[in-house]
Amino acid sequence: GQSLEQPSEVTAVEGAIVQINCTYQTSGFYGLSWYQQHDGGAPTFLSYNALDGLEETGRFSSFLSRSDSYGYLLLQELQMKDSASYFCAVRDHTGEAAGNKLTFGGGTRVLVKP
Amino acid sequence: DAGVTQSPTHLIKTRGQQVTLRCSPKSGHDTVSWYQQALGQGPQFIFQYYEEEERQRGNFPDRFSGHQFPNYSSELNVNALLLGDSALYLCDSSLYGGEQFFGPGTRLTVL
Repeated sequence: GQSLEQPSEVTAVEGAIVQINCTYQTSGFYGLSWYQQHDGGAPTFLSYNALDGLEETGRFSSFLSRSDSYGYLLLQELQMKDSASYFCAVRDHTGEAAGNKLTFGGGTRVLVKP
Repeated sequence: DAGVTQSPTHLIKTRGQQVTLRCSPKSGHDTVSWYQQALGQGPQFIFQYYEEEERQRGNFPDRFSGHQFPNYSSELNVNALLLGDSALYLCDSSLYGGEQFFGPGTRLTVL
């Protein structure tokens, strides 16, 4: 089967740095994606790592180690608007006649305090 | 360029009823996947459609079925609704094997 583990909740103050870890067990692995979801909204894409290393996009960075089946999302210079749930998701497929599908972790709720 | 759209936005049904949800993919995309997201959980993959055929399926019963039309839009049908089917239903679209974009979702409440 496939499974992803991430912390359920993180609390931090404005301006701080938060790291959300994600470990996974899966087959047919293509890469690890990160999504942000505000209450009542749909997931929005943040980043994608197919290869080992760090990807930086503004205040957010994502890291992947394929050999360790591990990745993390780094949120820097936290702002109040960053309060949301963050999901790691493995992009994989189950056969030649199939495109990519996403298997999500349970999500990490980030609460940013003033 | 319109993104992924879904209809309706919200829906209330009673147990035992049937429901149809709709998804229009982003322009140029040919693959649609459906996900169910229960409150407080991550989205769970239901199935994927490409070239009007179901290509992959998650661990959902046969009460969940779908269809893809020649214009690549898709429907998700759920029969014999249960209370546990209450969730946010998301679709994403992609150009086969490419980046995936989510629609805003349909909030289904089963009473």
